[in-house]
Amino acid sequence: DSGVTQTPKHLITATGQRVTLRCSPRSGDLSVYWYQQSLDQGLQFLIQYYNGEERAKGNILERFSAQQFPDLHSELNLSSLELGDSALYFCASSDYRDSEAFFGQGTRLTVV
Amino acid sequence: AQKVTQAQTEISVVEKEDVTLDCVYETRDTTYYLFWYKQPPSGELVFLIRRNSFDEQNEISGRYSWNFQKSTSSFNFTITASQVVDSAVYFCALSEVGYGGATNKLIFGTGTLLAVQP
Repeated sequence: DSGVTQTPKHLITATGQRVTLRCSPRSGDLSVYWYQQSLDQGLQFLIQYYNGEERAKGNILERFSAQQFPDLHSELNLSSLELGDSALYFCASSDYRDSEAFFGQGTRLTVV
Repeated sequence: AQKVTQAQTEISVVEKEDVTLDCVYETRDTTYYLFWYKQPPSGELVFLIRRNSFDEQNEISGRYSWNFQKSTSSFNFTITASQVVDSAVYFCALSEVGYGGATNKLIFGTGTLLAVQP
């Protein structure tokens, strides 16, 4: 168990809908990362937050947004969903002193 | 641009064989980190090792060993006496070193599927 908790584990939704994925980082970790794993694109970095502020951005679509709350949990919001958004979404956390990212078990999103 | 190449898409071995997974990276940074992660059939990503660019010492952890060679930009992973439980997808990754000296984001290779047959 990595200590990173993601909910829900599975999500099935229709095209055009909006969903929110939740991540609770390991205790004491200030940094949260979101990744997408799809058959087409492999594992891709989406966005990073550190102590509530956006720190780095990757190939994140404009339809996607994220935030990190004062209690350090993070949410990834996906809107106007398309079939191609079906993927496994991972959250990872790290302390800046460690440089090791520990991953949650992922949320499998299926868009139908 | 930073890039990680895992040329071996799939490897199949018989239990107790040794197997090496190759990883070649590209970066213009002088300071960076290299990682290996394991993704078993259950889907989670399991951290295996992190190595910084200034430490070229090889590392051994039980049946696992890693060979880091800056001269060839490679960070290869060897499993000795493989077991069925080693069957998984293995990802090599590279990170930038950002604010505060820590990882900003991981750039993953495409992964190598290792199948260990009994």
